[in-house]
Amino acid sequence: QQQVKQSPQSLIVQKGGISIINCAYENTAFDYFPWYQQFPGKGPALLIAIRPDVSEKKEGRFTISFNKSAKQFSLHIMDSQPGDSATYFCAASMDSGGSNYKLTFGKGTLLTVNP
Amino acid sequence: GAVVSQHPSWVICKSGTSVKIECRSLDFQATTMFWYRQFPKQSLMLMATSNEGSKATYEQGVEKDKFLINHASLTLSTLTVTSAHPEDSSFYICSANSMIAFEQYFGPGTRLTVT
Repeated sequence: QQQVKQSPQSLIVQKGGISIINCAYENTAFDYFPWYQQFPGKGPALLIAIRPDVSEKKEGRFTISFNKSAKQFSLHIMDSQPGDSATYFCAASMDSGGSNYKLTFGKGTLLTVNP
Repeated sequence: GAVVSQHPSWVICKSGTSVKIECRSLDFQATTMFWYRQFPKQSLMLMATSNEGSKATYEQGVEKDKFLINHASLTLSTLTVTSAHPEDSSFYICSANSMIAFEQYFGPGTRLTVT
């Protein structure tokens, strides 16, 4: 059972455009929702994260929108640049039952930003 | 801050031998470290969770006798792949949670090739 569903699987955007990646979760106990960026042959890098007590968080060109009632959250990349081309993973975790904030990952979205 | 290193970055070994991969948190103390495995164009698969000074908790389907994990200190965890076989060839990534924050930071990964 996949607890975090991510879409689309791949995304092509023109330079300067907006990239939008969506995730939906099932477990209402999740209370931390990070996004990771991964370049080929590298480890994932924490991009931005949100807790469920806020509906939106913005850091530079990256924004997370969070809808608790719909159990969905999304990543918006404004003014997308070729250097943003990477694989993006959403994730969710909780600190309960000794889970140690174990992350549950989505399947990833391969973003390509054309110049 | 929040840097996690891995060593080696890549390793080639012969079938039947053992390989040790080190994961270090360089500028923070990690109560919990995680080991992941990632196949090409796939998401991260959690293998095990380790807490300093205690036995690792393995995910279902992961052979604990094959993938030995030792979390010797608050800054070091090791993964030993014993009696490696070609099917163990993969990208192994560790991550660490800070003691004072729930963010999870990833290492750069180790590419293991078993011939």
